[in-house]
Amino acid sequence: NAGVTQTPKFQVLKTGQSMTLQCAQDMNHNSMYWYRQDPGMGLRLIYYSASEGTTDKGEVPNGYNVSRLNKREFSLRLESAAPSQTSVYFCASSDGSQTRGYTFGSGTRLTVV
Amino acid sequence: AQKITQTQPGMFVQEKEAVTLDCTYDTSDQSYGLFWYKQPSSGEMIFLIYQGSYDEQNATEGRYSLNFQKARKSANLVISASQLGDSAMYFCAMREGNRWDTGRRALTFGSGTRLQVQP
Repeated sequence: NAGVTQTPKFQVLKTGQSMTLQCAQDMNHNSMYWYRQDPGMGLRLIYYSASEGTTDKGEVPNGYNVSRLNKREFSLRLESAAPSQTSVYFCASSDGSQTRGYTFGSGTRLTVV
Repeated sequence: AQKITQTQPGMFVQEKEAVTLDCTYDTSDQSYGLFWYKQPSSGEMIFLIYQGSYDEQNATEGRYSLNFQKARKSANLVISASQLGDSAMYFCAMREGNRWDTGRRALTFGSGTRLQVQP
């Protein structure tokens, strides 16, 4: 099925560990985004990539790095996880010209203990 | 200042009744887009409806309609004939800038409204 695929769906990390969240889309979209969602809050933008080869910081980039590996894939890396990074992470993509919104992955629930 | 404000943390509605979820926004752009998403308890983000700032007609998608009042900077979601399956979190979001740009403009979300439909 066409869409945005995120892996893993669940992850528990110890403080200080590192990990990479993977995201891939098969809709040939130019733009991809990483958001985090904390309880009682909306989604906040961490990083985005307007096109292959470019990345930009969003509202809450501290503690994260990203890589736009190719047009399909956009990964989010936590170098040294902290309990404050416990959240649900969503990847999304868009082609910029459509009006029907952005396509979201199913999310990764990350717990840092 | 918050760009998207949803002032109703929670709402209750009786099955088969209509409900309005409020959303106000703040932008200095002339061209922008407003979106509503539904997030059920399973967690996925489901696109519901879109309204462009230059669209003259209010957007409608089945039982969903968007009451767009540009001068008041409000974009309220109206759900008609509520169903039990409508119980979920609802998020209003905005993309600033022209829809034909490179997609550089990410969505900004409000804090959401939890809707509970009662039988």
